Amino acid sequence: QKEVEQNSGPLSVPEGAIASLNCTYSDRVSQSFFWYRQYSGKSPELIMSIYSNGDKEDGRFTAQLNKASQYVSLLIRDSQPSDSATYLCAVNKARNDMRFGAGTRLTVKP
Amino acid sequence: DTEVTQTPKHLVMGMTNKKSLKCEQHMGHRAMYWYKQKAKKPPELMFVYSYEKLSINESVPSRFSPECPNSSLLNLHLHALQPEDSALYLCASSQPSYEQYFGPGTRLTVT
Repeated sequence: QKEVEQNSGPLSVPEGAIASLNCTYSDRVSQSFFWYRQYSGKSPELIMSIYSNGDKEDGRFTAQLNKASQYVSLLIRDSQPSDSATYLCAVNKARNDMRFGAGTRLTVKP
Repeated sequence: DTEVTQTPKHLVMGMTNKKSLKCEQHMGHRAMYWYKQKAKKPPELMFVYSYEKLSINESVPSRFSPECPNSSLLNLHLHALQPEDSALYLCASSQPSYEQYFGPGTRLTVT
């Protein structure tokens, strides 16, 4: 079992729709969770961080965490073509040991 | 300011060369990281420095040698690399256990 699992996609949504990205992790002691966006040829850019169960909203982005189910998700509302990128789920296991999922490639079609 | 800088942006080196990658941050972060990323793969953790001490070494070959001269600087010394070491090398920094901020990366080609 991989430490962090994501659907690799590609995920395609029309402009203005909601994009839903999912992630599961295997280590129950994990405490902090992150979503990064990575454009082709660029470095990962932090989108959201979440540390406690529930929802966290920032603009068009909402992260959801359920530690009992070991599940993290990212919703992108009103998706724009500029949101087309690879989205990486990252889980901090302990002592700064962060692991990434394989990434989900999102395409937003105009 | 959440900027992490890396130099050089691109590096081409032969298998007998010695070179160094440099990373700098001025956010007061006390943890710094090196990652390796191959095309269409996620970043893979190589080394972690916490409070200027090496805390994680992910069984990286000795031809990669990290150094943390002070809390703002991180180096990766390269020696006798192989063509399969060609990748994007990413530096990141954070407060311990909090979100990491990545630099733009150094694209390394080993010939």
